[in-house]
Amino acid sequence: DAGVTQSPTHLIKTRGQQVTLRCSPKSGHDTVSWYQQALGQGPQFIFQYYEEEERQRGNFPDRFSGHQFPNYSSELNVNALLLGDSALYLCASSLGQGRDYQPQHFGDGTRLSIL
Amino acid sequence: AQSVTQPDIHITVSEGASLELRCNYSYGATPYLFWYVQSPGQGLQLLLKYFSGDTLVQGIKGFEAEFKRSQSSFNLRKPSVHWSDAAEYFCAVGLNTGFQKLVFGTGTRLLVSP
Repeated sequence: DAGVTQSPTHLIKTRGQQVTLRCSPKSGHDTVSWYQQALGQGPQFIFQYYEEEERQRGNFPDRFSGHQFPNYSSELNVNALLLGDSALYLCASSLGQGRDYQPQHFGDGTRLSIL
Repeated sequence: AQSVTQPDIHITVSEGASLELRCNYSYGATPYLFWYVQSPGQGLQLLLKYFSGDTLVQGIKGFEAEFKRSQSSFNLRKPSVHWSDAAEYFCAVGLNTGFQKLVFGTGTRLLVSP
């Protein structure tokens, strides 16, 4: 049973560029959340997708956008990259909305470095 | 606003000694509480969760945690630490307002000395 998979594992970009990160949820899960984890910090919620729509958003600028596909996989896009966007980006999947709370399962993340 | 506080940035424990990692939360409703562990370069692995019922919950790898509503705490414990337990530990509050989201603490790095 495959868990949450993310690609790529590492990425190096320069300021001003755009980046796309990808996530496949755990089998059977239909909800995908994205988190940003800066060095030495806990993960911070970016947004969550369910039924191909952004359902909730954290305190992140519009440069951060996403998409969810019919197969529940998801992409995180970041435009006009800043040095401060350097972080580990974590994808988490879970099952259902409005049901009993279901734990989120995390992938190993994509390490994004901005030069 | 919801928040999670992990007051200890680093903790060093001798192998075989007991461990307690502290976590305090601020949330108006009944919280869903979690402990995750993160090894270097890895994602987060769920150790245990509290949703309701028995306030002492058992998790994987011999960990347990106790929910104390009066103290707004959810401390993680292990009776005997192994060198492989060295990692970063995160406490989190789950917010189920129809859309599920986690609010994390800043983490506690556990070092295990021989």
